[in-house]
Amino acid sequence: KNQVEQSPQSLIILEGKNCTLQCNYTVSPFSNLRWYKQDTGRGPVSLTIMTFSENTKSNGRYTATLDADTKQSSLHITASQLSDSASYICVVSDRSGTYKYIFGTGTRLKVLA
Amino acid sequence: GAGVSQTPSNKVTEKGKYVELRCDPISGHTALYWYRQSLGQGPEFLIYFQGTGAADDSGLPNDRFFAVRPEGSVSTLKIQRTERGDSAVYLCASWTGEEETQYFGPGTRLLVL
Repeated sequence: KNQVEQSPQSLIILEGKNCTLQCNYTVSPFSNLRWYKQDTGRGPVSLTIMTFSENTKSNGRYTATLDADTKQSSLHITASQLSDSASYICVVSDRSGTYKYIFGTGTRLKVLA
Repeated sequence: GAGVSQTPSNKVTEKGKYVELRCDPISGHTALYWYRQSLGQGPEFLIYFQGTGAADDSGLPNDRFFAVRPEGSVSTLKIQRTERGDSAVYLCASWTGEEETQYFGPGTRLLVL
């Protein structure tokens, strides 16, 4: 069964600190992996996208890594800001023909001043 | 418009009633997805349209749920005989079919009393 699992479920850090979120997936066939940020009451917004051949991708203070052999990804946030408080969702796309997204349950990050 | 829009933003209804949720995709996007997101969970796939036709409706939970996209742009998700378990955020996303990123709307928060 295609699944995407994320850890931790929730995380609280102080402003300025770094953190790393984890994602494990069992999706096959694999097309690509995205990290989305979802603010409370809003739709998800794409942060990064990586295909099978890519193992790292950065977007400002966000850096995602992908190990396609172990089917693991991480999202590292550097020098966190209060505005980083959100849910971060790992999304894996299969190549079944409909580009169906399989979503993780997300990690809820809270950045405190 | 600049992004995907959804109306209404919030909908409160009584058990057994009929509701319609509307999605206006980004102009020119041929593909449109509906997702359902329960509290603390990632979005769950419901249905995917390519143009006017439903290419994949395998995520619709039962025959009370139906979606249309008659002119290949605006889509309506219809829920008959609503149940309390239908309470969730219903997200719409559109996609060009080429660039592999879905753009999400803000969602409609449905509460069935």
